[in-house]
Amino acid sequence: GAGVSQSPRYKVAKRGQDVALRCDPISGHVSLFWYQQALGQGPEFLTYFQNEAQLDKSGLPSDRFFAERPEGSVSTLKIQRTQQEDSAVYLCASSLFGAQETQYFGPGTRLLVL
Amino acid sequence: GQNIDQPTEMTATEGAIVQINCTYQTSGFNGLFWYQQHAGEAPTFLSYNVLDGLEEKGRFSSFLSRSKGYSYLLLKELQMKDSASYLCAPGLDSSYKLIFGSGTRLLVRP
Repeated sequence: GAGVSQSPRYKVAKRGQDVALRCDPISGHVSLFWYQQALGQGPEFLTYFQNEAQLDKSGLPSDRFFAERPEGSVSTLKIQRTQQEDSAVYLCASSLFGAQETQYFGPGTRLLVL
Repeated sequence: GQNIDQPTEMTATEGAIVQINCTYQTSGFNGLFWYQQHAGEAPTFLSYNVLDGLEEKGRFSSFLSRSKGYSYLLLKELQMKDSASYLCAPGLDSSYKLIFGSGTRLLVRP
């Protein structure tokens, strides 16, 4: 596609529910990133994939967060047993290769946990 | 650790020039990105500086001083549509990671 797409755009979950957020990167992009953005803050790194390999998951805030990219294209970020502090915008970005390359962002999924 | 400092908010008048500063301290450094983010939208790429000096791209210019850990984004001939947050993001040495500042919210007034 023309750009990075994410779905759903908005998600409301009750505390304790599991959610799955999807990212479709730009076709052919090797690298894929997930960020979490709180209101009024810059994006914070969560995890990084190079093709299907998750090379860095150091930013995932807890073991309730899990990400995968099984075929090296579409990625899913899963949050289990959601908590109110998980409320944020989750941004996905892709780049052609990786280091020092421009990252192209999707519109994000706005998650609200009640 | 990583530390990025930029002003929280700035206000400027349509047609004017504004400079948004960013200072950073990172463990390793290899270039700095500036992104623009309108409210509720994705960050979009503006510029990337890897060498010291000024890079000009239309109404937007970006400057980098590696020795001082300092960058600025210069916006000329401001338009109302330039009202947005501007994110400074140093790239870590030989790494894919970007560390974003909190962003500077720019309001352009008529």
